[in-house]
Amino acid sequence: GESVGLHLPTLSVQEGDNSIINCAYSNSASDYFIWYKQESGKGPQFIIDIRSNMDKRQGQRVTVLLNKTVKHLSLQIAATQPGDSAVYFCADLNSGTYKYIFGTGTRLKVLA
Amino acid sequence: SQTIHQWPATLVQPVGSPLSLECTVEGTSNPNLYWYRQAAGRGLQLLFYSVGIGQISSEVPQNLSASRPQDRQFILSSKKLLLSDSGFYLCAWSTGLNQPQHFGDGTRLSIL
Repeated sequence: GESVGLHLPTLSVQEGDNSIINCAYSNSASDYFIWYKQESGKGPQFIIDIRSNMDKRQGQRVTVLLNKTVKHLSLQIAATQPGDSAVYFCADLNSGTYKYIFGTGTRLKVLA
Repeated sequence: SQTIHQWPATLVQPVGSPLSLECTVEGTSNPNLYWYRQAAGRGLQLLFYSVGIGQISSEVPQNLSASRPQDRQFILSSKKLLLSDSGFYLCAWSTGLNQPQHFGDGTRLSIL
């Protein structure tokens, strides 16, 4: 079945370093992908999205890379800050449907 | 700008009691609306979505129902809560297909 998974459940990085969070998806029909950030007790917050006709998209301090060949998605956070500590998860959307498949998330811990 | 409101933030209910969780969106018209449940360590599970007033699609048959009495109001209900209904419930909106979903801050529901 469809699944979106993460390679690492917890990632610890030093403040100021770059963070890379990975995500794998299995549905080759997925054509839209989103990264969310969720802080404790809050709802998920949209970070960045990418469509299947792109390989890379950049935002403020964040970059999303999409490798459709191996069905892999990554989120890069530059100069990680303490405020970046949260759970990050990806979601993919099957083309033409309303049903997103959400990953379980990676907890990012920023060490001072 | 668009905002989404969910209430209450936390709720403790006895087994067998009714439920009504409300979600409203401001700053947009005719949004797609969604109800999700998030279990600890698991991805978001889509419960219901709505593309217009009175239009509800159910993804998972269970002890819950949803209604959309107004364009920007989405309600999650139950006539008799079960212990298994405990969880973190999230409402989200989007402008349409292949667009990011924006989430409220959720309701933590505990059934005793």
